[in-house]
Amino acid sequence: DAKTTQPNSMESNEEEPVHLPCNHSTISGTDYIHWYRQLPSQGPEYVIHGLTSNVNNRMASLAIAEDRKSSTLILHRATLRDAAVYYCSLGGGADGLTFGKGTHLIIQP
Amino acid sequence: DTGVSQDPRHKITKRGQNVTFRCDPISEHNRLYWYRQTLGQGPEFLTYFQNEAQLEKSRLLSDRFSAERPKGSFSTLEIQRTEQGDSAMYLCASSWGGSNYGYTFGSGTRLTVV
Repeated sequence: DAKTTQPNSMESNEEEPVHLPCNHSTISGTDYIHWYRQLPSQGPEYVIHGLTSNVNNRMASLAIAEDRKSSTLILHRATLRDAAVYYCSLGGGADGLTFGKGTHLIIQP
Repeated sequence: DTGVSQDPRHKITKRGQNVTFRCDPISEHNRLYWYRQTLGQGPEFLTYFQNEAQLEKSRLLSDRFSAERPKGSFSTLEIQRTEQGDSAMYLCASSWGGSNYGYTFGSGTRLTVV
């Protein structure tokens, strides 16, 4: 399975943009890149996903490198409610999504 | 759309007992996934269904684990002869299709084996 590598934790200030990186150098050509976030004692929440092109939705933007070996989740203006563990995951085959260990995002007021 | 429901939210069982968890997916979704998550780790894929067909089950952790989705609606995950190492959060997710769609996760069932 293709693996993802993320920083263990990141810290940002409220109302500032946040860029969360993910490396996936063994990604296959058919793997989609998904991002989810998770609060304690809750299930993961879908944030965004894409294949090759950059994607935008109301929650975030996803920037995918041209070689697809890395991606960045962009939160344009962080709020305290964005504090969570963010998972970058890959999927495209029969095995569902493969999750990494995630990045614990801390937002300072 | 009430989201993905999982029942129970918490289960404490004695080692050696059997447990069964239920997942009710979003009704329009034809794919249903089961994951396990241990403390400090990301979710680990176990198995998935497309409608009532179980298309991948080689990732189930041992032959003590089994899953069903009768009639392509709700699903159950059973663990027989539980062990302390089975203590974890068990998550269910559903989606319209494969990885070209986002997944909707339930809140999970927290299993504690004592």
